[in-house]
Amino acid sequence: SQELEQSPQSLIVQEGKNLTINCTSSKTLYGLYWYKQKYGEGLIFLMMLQKGGEEKSHEKITAKLDEKKQQSSLHITASQPSHAGIYLCGADASGGSNYKLTFGKGTLLTVNP
Amino acid sequence: NAGVMQNPRHLVRRRGQEARLRCSPMKGHSHVYWYRQLPEEGLKFMVYLQKENIIDESGMPKERFSAEFPKEGPSILRIQQVVRGDSAAYFCASSRTRTGVYNSPLHFGNGTRLTVT
Repeated sequence: SQELEQSPQSLIVQEGKNLTINCTSSKTLYGLYWYKQKYGEGLIFLMMLQKGGEEKSHEKITAKLDEKKQQSSLHITASQPSHAGIYLCGADASGGSNYKLTFGKGTLLTVNP
Repeated sequence: NAGVMQNPRHLVRRRGQEARLRCSPMKGHSHVYWYRQLPEEGLKFMVYLQKENIIDESGMPKERFSAEFPKEGPSILRIQQVVRGDSAAYFCASSRTRTGVYNSPLHFGNGTRLTVT
């Protein structure tokens, strides 16, 4: 079955620093979704990647999907305390159902002022 | 434009009681999905419903769990005779169409945190 590995599991950075979170799959991804979850709250949709080599940016967050469509990275530039939270990658590996997303366990990001 | 609304936010039940979790999808969304997040585990798909129909319940435990999405009103996830292992965060998501790579992404609610004592 599809499994997603996220690394690192947790990350502490100083405000203003850049950081990268990775999401790796053992199977080809047909769609890759990045969400942010604040502790005890719901998931906020960040970005959706579809094609190999695709890259999307929103404000200071950039997400890429590699050519083989088995790995995605989320990069935050000049981190701020508001970026703190749990980042989750979710993927559809079925190539068909599209609603049964598999999620990684998340990366806990702490940004120290 | 209200998002996906779930209630209650927190629910405490004793073992053997019933838990009812409610989800109102975003306006204009007719597809509802329930996911469960167990401690130390990732979100896992439970069930997909459209109005009055269960489309896919392959992720739902076979016993004690049921879901519905009636013509009128919210979607309900019902857990009968709860046990400690049911303690988790239950998230509902909705989409305008059947979601997927070329369609709308899932929009999640804030979840219901169920604690079984």
